[in-house]
Amino acid sequence: EPEVTQTPSHQVTQMGQEVILRCVPISNHLYFYWYRQILGQKVEFLVSFYNNEISEKSEIFDDQFSVERPDGSNFTLKIRSTKLEDSAMYFCASSETHSTGELFFGEGSRLTVL
Amino acid sequence: AQKVTQAQTEISVVEKEDVTLDCVYETRDTTYYLFWYKQPPSGELVFLIRRNSFDEQNEISGRYSWNFQKSTSSFNFTITASQVVDSAVYFCALSEAGHNNNDMRFGAGTRLTVKP
Repeated sequence: EPEVTQTPSHQVTQMGQEVILRCVPISNHLYFYWYRQILGQKVEFLVSFYNNEISEKSEIFDDQFSVERPDGSNFTLKIRSTKLEDSAMYFCASSETHSTGELFFGEGSRLTVL
Repeated sequence: AQKVTQAQTEISVVEKEDVTLDCVYETRDTTYYLFWYKQPPSGELVFLIRRNSFDEQNEISGRYSWNFQKSTSSFNFTITASQVVDSAVYFCALSEAGHNNNDMRFGAGTRLTVKP
């Protein structure tokens, strides 16, 4: 069964460092998303991406964040200068259409900022 | 703006008990989708069900059942004869069809602990 894969599963970084989280969405999906879950809290929408551009972003997704689809398979989330409060689980998701079909989530990348 | 409320922060039951997880939502759209996800201790999000706003038929899948009532804006989830493996955080989520994407919004989650 096709699945969304994310790497790394866990990354530890120093405050101020740049981090790139990678995702490989399901191959025929056209819509891509990043969500964040701070430990013990709700899953929060960060950004959605379609046709090589951001279609919507939340207030959390500030200038420190960026997304990119550098090739035909990867979808990345970059945090330019990490802060302690960026420590969270980051989930990538993809969907086939925008008509609110099911989102398929990856297993998440846990980011720990020290 | 869409909003999802899961008033139960934590629930603890003994194995074989039935348990219902509540979900109340708010939306201005007439077309929307509701979801339940399970997050086990390993952390991944496991899709359980999607329901669109035009389909109020209740659904049963094994020990799981869902009760969708538009009149009360609720989409409750019942686990029958709970098992220890059901222990997880369960999230209800809402997506509005009027948007051009699926910026699904999640409730705060309900942590279910099933004791042997």
